[in-house]
Formats: sequence, structure tokens, C-alpha cells
Amino acid sequence: KAGVTQTPRYLIKTRGQQVTLSCSPISGHRSVSWYQQTPGQGLQFLFEYFSETQRNKGNFPGRFSGRQFSNSRSEMNVSTLELGDSALYLCASSFRGEGYNEQFFGPGTRLTVL
Amino acid sequence: AQSVSQHNHHVILSEAASLELGCNYSYGGTVNLFWYVQYPGQHLQLLLKYFSGDPLVKGIKGFEAEFIKSKFSFNLRKPSVQWSDTAEYFCAVNTGVANFGNEKLTFGTGTRLTIIP
Repeated sequence: KAGVTQTPRYLIKTRGQQVTLSCSPISGHRSVSWYQQTPGQGLQFLFEYFSETQRNKGNFPGRFSGRQFSNSRSEMNVSTLELGDSALYLCASSFRGEGYNEQFFGPGTRLTVL
Repeated sequence: AQSVSQHNHHVILSEAASLELGCNYSYGGTVNLFWYVQYPGQHLQLLLKYFSGDPLVKGIKGFEAEFIKSKFSFNLRKPSVQWSDTAEYFCAVNTGVANFGNEKLTFGTGTRLTIIP
């Protein structure tokens, strides 16, 4: 079974631009969560999507948004990029059945904002 | 809101030494607890997890962790480390409600483990 895939793997943008990152979950997984990883703040939860609906949201500004498609693939968008948005963005997928379900992480997208 | 503390930021050990990494969380209700590992250049992967039952849980690669509810702790241990254990280790907590998944994980800031051959 293929793992979680994220594209692109690396991105370089300038301040003020916007960016879209993509995540394809493991086949059969219905939930996709996004995390931001930085050296200073560690791993922080951005949001979770299930059945094309945002189910949970972390403490990030409205510039960070996402969506999920009917095939469970997900995208996240960051508008008006700031230098502090430079980070590794991780996507995780899970089945999201009863109780807690193990999340499987992708390799991440490394975003550099200049 | 829940939080997770990992007090050891960087640990350096020689091969065959014993390892214990600390993890404390703050949340008054039921929690699910995890240790994840991130080897250099690799995906974050699950080492072990605790949902309920025996507070001593065993994971992959000889790792184990003990949940001590009274101390809000979930420390990771390994009796004898190997050079290949060099990685970053993250403790995480989930406060999902039973029978309806809540997939949000709150992570600690991580502990970088360096094993000297």
C-alpha cells in the first residue's frame, strides 16, 4: 500500500505570495490532518478534514486554509506569505473510524519564504 | 487546552547506554499517548502508543514507555541504544472522544538523540 504523498517536496516563495500544497492520503483513509513543523515551535496542528469538511482547527491565522476533495485528497493554502511561514508542512492521514485511529505521516513539503 | 513538555532537548549517549526520555502532559481527562520518531531524512513514524490497559507499553525496535497517570508522564525507555537510534523523538497526546474520532495530536517540542558509536 502506498504511503501518504505530498507535493511538491520543496517550494521557494517570496513574501506576499500565496502557495498551495497537496496531500494524497493512504488509499482508504478518509481523514487528512495538516501540521506545521518549525525548529522553534515544533509540530503544531493546523487543521483536519474529513468528508470534505473541516472538523478541527488549530490556532493559526485565517491566511491558512484548506480543503478536501471527494477522493479524500487535500490541499492547504497559505495566502500573503510571511517570513515566519517558512517551515516543513506535514500531512497525516487516518481511517477515522470509531475511537482514535493511528495517523500516518507524509514526507512533508519544505516551504521557504524569502 | 492540552500541552506536552519534553524537557530534554538534546541527549547524547554512547552505544549500549540506557535511555530515558521524559514526557509530561497537561490535561485532566482521558488521553491517548504516543511517541513518534523522525530519523534523518525520513517520515515521522509511530514508535508506540497507549490508549488504555497495561500502563507499560512496548513498541518497535525495543522501545517501551510507561504511563504514570498520577504524574501525567509517559517516559520513553530503551535498555541499550544503538547508533541507528539517532533521531528526533516526539511525544504526543490526543484527547479524542471515545466513539467519535478526534485526530488532533498535540506534540512536544522533541528531543534530539545522538548516539556515539
